[in-house]
Amino acid sequence: EVQLVESGGGLVQPGGSLRLSCAASGFTFSSYWMSWVRQAPGKGLEWVANIKQDGSEKYYVDSVKGRFTISRDNAKNSLYLQMNSLRAEDTAVYYCARSSIAAAPFDYWGQGTLVTVSS
Amino acid sequence: SYVLTQPPSVSVAPGQTARITCGGNNIGSKSVHWYQQKPGQAPVLVVYDDSDRPSGIPERFSGSNSGNTATLTISRVEAGDEADYYCQVWDSSSDPQVVFGGGTKLTVL
Repeated sequence: EVQLVESGGGLVQPGGSLRLSCAASGFTFSSYWMSWVRQAPGKGLEWVANIKQDGSEKYYVDSVKGRFTISRDNAKNSLYLQMNSLRAEDTAVYYCARSSIAAAPFDYWGQGTLVTVSS
Repeated sequence: SYVLTQPPSVSVAPGQTARITCGGNNIGSKSVHWYQQKPGQAPVLVVYDDSDRPSGIPERFSGSNSGNTATLTISRVEAGDEADYYCQVWDSSSDPQVVFGGGTKLTVL
């Protein structure tokens, strides 16, 4: 059974940092692109970043460029999102999701982890 | 950057047909994917590559894509279909991005 389990969310002050993790199981993690998608309270879905199978390509939404870094460890079947210089507008549930290629749909999603940026 | 436009809400009576549109510049040249999201849950893929259905998704869910509009059609709507629906594409421009539409709240009257 495919499982994606996010962790690392919590309350952080503006300007602070947080590292999210996504533990994958039930499939060959190294064969998939992985993405982070977020959803602010009461708002729609917003894609944040994605990373190719071998980590050689990474793409980001403009609003997080220079602040967030996506990475993966295929040996540990894990995806990460390092979030620096956090802002109130980064408050959201963060989901990890997989796709076979960058243009493919997200066929499996985790249940999400909540990040709250507030003083 | 590429923009996808969805109506904020669509209402339909049980048993009727719901159509949710997703507008974008020449969207017909892209592959469109659709997700259903119920409150407190992660999104679920219901249609991919314009008109294909993942296993386990009822045949009542279908999709089309042409010109500047993609459409998700839900036939014989049931109360359990009430949810938010999002379209999504991959914009392979000079700055590649995944793009989601703003979402449509489907209300079953």
